[in-house]
Amino acid sequence: EMQLVESGGGLVQPGGSLTLSCAASGFTFSNYWMTWLRQAPGKGLEWVADIKGDGSQRHYGDSVKGRFTISRDNARDSLYLQLDSLRDDDTAFYYCARAGGRATYFDAWGRGTLVTVSS
Amino acid sequence: AIRMTQSPSSISASTGDRISITCRASQGIDSYVAWYQQKPGQAPKLLVYSASILQSGVPSRFSGSESGTEFTLTISRLQSEDSATYYCQQYYSYPTFGQGTRLEIK
Repeated sequence: EMQLVESGGGLVQPGGSLTLSCAASGFTFSNYWMTWLRQAPGKGLEWVADIKGDGSQRHYGDSVKGRFTISRDNARDSLYLQLDSLRDDDTAFYYCARAGGRATYFDAWGRGTLVTVSS
Repeated sequence: AIRMTQSPSSISASTGDRISITCRASQGIDSYVAWYQQKPGQAPKLLVYSASILQSGVPSRFSGSESGTEFTLTISRLQSEDSATYYCQQYYSYPTFGQGTRLEIK
């Protein structure tokens, strides 16, 4: 059964850093573009970043460009998101999701991990 | 950025009813639209992609259609478990989502 499990969320001060992880299982991880999306509590969905199956291409949303870094380790079937220079408006549930390709729809999602940025 | 304007923001209906949710794109996006269902405390679930193709395992009560830059999700024969928030998404360019429609089953 296909599964995505995020971890690493928590409370961090403005300007701080955090690393999120997503463990994948049940499919050939290296064959797929993978994505991070986020959802502020009670708000809508926002695409954050994506990365090609072999890691050779990465793209970021305008609101996180230059502050967040997406990466992957195909040997460990894991996806990561490094969050730096965090701001209050980065507070959200962060989901990893499997994509059908570059900038496409998302057919599998994890349950999410909550990042709270607050002093 | 391509904007997806979703309506209504909320809807209340009874079991057995048929409802429709609409998204209007700010520019032409071919059929690059997906629809998701999100229940409280859960991750979104893909229902429809390419505007009208039902994801495997999704009940046939759900259907998607398009007319120009307007895209519609229709749910027939509503059931209590359909109570959720529904989002449209375009993937013609980098992905953007509609604001969501909260469906309440009376």
